Formats: sequence, C-alpha cells, structure tokens
Amino acid sequence: DVKVTQSSRYLVKRTGEKVFLECVQDMDHENMFWYRQDPGLGLRLIYFSYDVKMKEKGDIPEGYSVSREKKERFSLILESASTNQTSMYLCASSRGTSEQETQYFGPGTRLLVL
Amino acid sequence: AQKVTQAQTEISVVEKEDVTLDCVYETRDTTYYLFWYKQPPSGELVFLIRRNSFDEQNEISGRYSWNFQKSTSSFNFTITASQVVDSAVYFCALSEAIGSGGGADGLTFGKGTHLIIQP
Repeated sequence: DVKVTQSSRYLVKRTGEKVFLECVQDMDHENMFWYRQDPGLGLRLIYFSYDVKMKEKGDIPEGYSVSREKKERFSLILESASTNQTSMYLCASSRGTSEQETQYFGPGTRLLVL
Repeated sequence: AQKVTQAQTEISVVEKEDVTLDCVYETRDTTYYLFWYKQPPSGELVFLIRRNSFDEQNEISGRYSWNFQKSTSSFNFTITASQVVDSAVYFCALSEAIGSGGGADGLTFGKGTHLIIQP
C-alpha cells in the first residue's frame, strides 16, 4: 500500500511566523504535490515536484515555497504566515512515468493562523 | 483550461437508496484522465477510480459504478444500496496527459459533493 504521511494533523501558528509542513512518501514516487482545501473552493494546487530539487508552480503559489532535497520528502514553507493561509493542506504523490499516474494523498494538516 | 463541475453541493438520502453523483468536465485535450476520490470526516482523500479518455466502458466495483460518457463530457458515480459508511465528500478530478503541460501535472478538482446517508 502507498503511504503518504504528513508531519502534523493540526497546527496553530501566529501571523508572521515561518511555517514548515512536511510530507513523506514511502513508495519511491517521482512526483509530489501540495494542495490546499477550502470550503466552497475545493482543492487547489500550490506547488508540485517531479524530481529531487525540481519544483513547479501550481495554480496558487503566492505566499508559499517548497523544498525537495530527498525523493521521499516534500516540504511546504510559509515564509510569513498570514490569516488567509488558514486552511487544510494536503500532500500527494504519484509514480509519474510516461503516463499520468494516480495521486495518493496524505491525511492532511489543518493549519490555523491567528 | 480544464474544469470540473460537480453541480450537487450536498445530497441527503436514506440508507439503502441508490444515489448518483454527477461530474461534468471540460478539456481541450483528447488524452486525459478522470478520477473519483472519497473524503470521509477524517480528512484523507481515498482514491476510488481512474479512467483514461480512451476507455469508455462503464465500471462496477461492488456497490459502486461509474458511467463515463465522452459525448456529454460526464463521469458520473452511482452508489447502489447506500450505507451510512458512504457518508463523505466525494471529489471528481481531471488530469491531462503528461506532455500536454510538460512533466507531471496536478489534478483539477471539482468542488465536491457532500453525501449524507441517513440511517
């Protein structure tokens, strides 16, 4: 079974803090993704990575950065957290070869920025 | 640009009823993939099915079935004899093939349908 884990289920941070959300997958997947989920808006792609040290912007990258130093780990960074970044953050991974592969999701991190 | 529409925001049925969740998509590509995910109250998205645009055969898995119709750009999901454990938010998603956007690509999700199964 594919296993995607996220470092925290719940986080509370203050405005202006630097926040790290960690995601680890154990299936040697090439691709990793970060989404945020908000009521009425569904899931929106923030960033993704198709290889170590590679990253691509998704639909809503503003205010975020990412890091992928190792294949199994993909970190989402909020450089200076703001209240409008309060959300549910979901990490996903996929095998990614010559055709589009299924994305498998972690349990999510609910972030509250005060 | 690709788009997924799930017009039903919330559906409530009594246990054992059949229920169909609608999904309509838009894409300019001829090669694409469609997905359904289930999100129970715990929050994790659970993969249910993946379909490519060249395979229009309907699929059945136990009480779940999917109807893919390219002519109407729809990929509907039916639960037969619903159970309380089916209560969740269900998402339909679309992805274009690698190569159309270069490299891996994220999924475009619908806004989800909240399904409530009452005992």
